[in-house]
Amino acid sequence: NAGVTQTPKFQVLKTGQSMTLQCAQDMNHNSMYWYRQDPGMGLRLIYYSASEGTTDKGEVPNGYNVSRLNKREFSLRLESAAPSQTSVYFCASSGHGIYQETQYFGPGTRLLVL
Amino acid sequence: DAKTTQPTSMDCAEGRAANLPCNHSTISGNEYVYWYRQIHSQGPQYIIHGLKNNETNEMASLIITEDRKSSTLILPHATLRDTAVYYCIGLNAGGTSYGKLTFGQGTILTVHP
Repeated sequence: NAGVTQTPKFQVLKTGQSMTLQCAQDMNHNSMYWYRQDPGMGLRLIYYSASEGTTDKGEVPNGYNVSRLNKREFSLRLESAAPSQTSVYFCASSGHGIYQETQYFGPGTRLLVL
Repeated sequence: DAKTTQPTSMDCAEGRAANLPCNHSTISGNEYVYWYRQIHSQGPQYIIHGLKNNETNEMASLIITEDRKSSTLILPHATLRDTAVYYCIGLNAGGTSYGKLTFGQGTILTVHP
């Protein structure tokens, strides 16, 4: 039981390049989330998926797109990376059993945009 | 979701209890109080949550005041590995803000030998 996994762990991009951050969970959770964390700040929600087949914007969605590929996987895409998107990206999932709101986080993807 | 207020930082000696306060004076009746922590460079980790009653699990205890305007997270025997940023979050579980955790600045807890 790996929990929430994210790939890649690190990535360096040039301005204007695109990339997709992958996230997968093996806990049979219904909901999945993408957050970003800038240095010295708390996490901010980018997008979330309450259930398979649905996605919704969070606090800071501009510049990102998401795909809920199936119940296990939720990807985050940067179509044209900008230096302002340099951050650590965390994926999370929730929604099984009694504590349906408790979120479990992955280890993060560290992204540097030059 | 309720706005929460936490001290910026706290210190604790190893082996002693760490008591982390949180004010949430605007919390509504159906909002839970959640605690997460983030150890350096790692993803946040769920600790505990509660609505009205005090709660205890293998990691910590959560004491919620009767008026629900504040709460305290207690780590009964802090270790060096408990050094982390601790976040207190109000969450309207199942409501329109479904599952959307709002992380503030949190409290930096430093456990000293």
